[in-house]
Formats: sequence, structure tokens, C-alpha cells
Amino acid sequence: DTEVTQTPKHLVMGMTNKKSLKCEQHMGHRAMYWYKQKAKKPPELMFVYSYEKLSINESVPSRFSPECPNSSLLNLHLHALQPEDSALYLCASSQVGFGIYNEQFFGPGTRLTVL
Amino acid sequence: GQQLNQSPQSMFIQEGEDVSMNCTSSSIFNTWLWYKQDPGEGPVLLIALYKAGELTSNGRLTAQFGITRKDSFLNISASIPSDVGIYFCAGPLLTQGGSEKLVFGKGMKLTVNP
Repeated sequence: DTEVTQTPKHLVMGMTNKKSLKCEQHMGHRAMYWYKQKAKKPPELMFVYSYEKLSINESVPSRFSPECPNSSLLNLHLHALQPEDSALYLCASSQVGFGIYNEQFFGPGTRLTVL
Repeated sequence: GQQLNQSPQSMFIQEGEDVSMNCTSSSIFNTWLWYKQDPGEGPVLLIALYKAGELTSNGRLTAQFGITRKDSFLNISASIPSDVGIYFCAGPLLTQGGSEKLVFGKGMKLTVNP
């Protein structure tokens, strides 16, 4: 199983709403990632979890709150978002290994629209 | 921060034609990656290059890791309609936690006319 699943596929929310994006993998990967991708742009890294601990936060605003409840799950909690936060949010996972590249497997993404 | 310069930004070709794209960096990378992204999907790894000078093929795709470790190219031969999509080069930066931070090029949008 080399699949990363993300739910929901589409999400429309108002600026006062609280919502969560979910990501799941069963490949035994211990690194999980959140990326944000605007239209016609490459993915931009937001957060990295390694062994369920937050290892990278790319100066993301606090209205985005990641959570890694276990080694298979990754959540992104959203609160008080702005219309400019509308984008495709991609989750990825990989093995963890020092000194070698470990392929990141991407999910299909959640298309988020903030009204 | 490190950036990857990818060109061209878009290409329109006829089915059956070959297409080439390249990526350069001002910094050295120890690994070069080529991803393809279809609309509404996440990027999928096509080819990974690990050694300077390496030439690797995957079906109709051929990629090379430049000898200076600052560039790479991807070639698609005999294009077919399903080659349509956005192609990204990427380089991984190893972080303290042992995971990789991927730096992406800006992407090349390929259109194939049947």
C-alpha cells in the first residue's frame, strides 16, 4: 500500500469557521508533511513531523495548527482563515533516514476555499 | 534560501514529439528529483537521481544529474496525450530531524495536441 489519503477532497469555509484536514498513511512512514499549493505554483512546505514530533514549522501563521496523533495520522486544524489561504493543501509521508533521500509520497490534496 | 530555476515554463507540442526541460540551481544538490502533477492530484515521483553525471531512464523518460550537481534535465520522447500535466524538478534538503524539505522549481506545464 503506497497510498496517502486525504479528507475531505474539497472544503468551503467561512472566515469564522473551525475545520480540520485529515491525512492518513499505512506505509510505516515516520515523517509526515503539510504543503500548501497555490494555483500555477509549486508546493510550499508548511510543517514536518518526524516520529510524531513537530520538526519544522516554516513560519506558518497560528491560524494553521498541525497535529500528529499517531504515526499514521496527520491533521491540520484551521481557524479564522483568510480568503488568501484558499489553496490546495497536500499531505506527504516518507521514511526517515539520515544521509539518504527518502521518497515523499503525496496525497491527492484538499482543495480549500475560504469565503 | 535555495531556489531552483526551471525552464521552459510551458510547452505546447504535437503528439509524438520529444520534449526537454531543465532545472538549475545556484547551490549544489546531492539528489535531483522530477515529479509530475496531474490536475487535482498530488505530485508523483517520476525519476530520482543520486549521483553526479548519472543518466537514468524510466520508460520514455530520461533524466540526467549534471556533473556540477547544480543542474538536471528531463526528456520525454514520443509524447502521448497522457503526458499532459505539470512537471516539477525538486531537490531535497536534509533537516535536523532526519526528514527532507523539498525545494521545487516553478514547474513546466506540458500540453500535448493529439
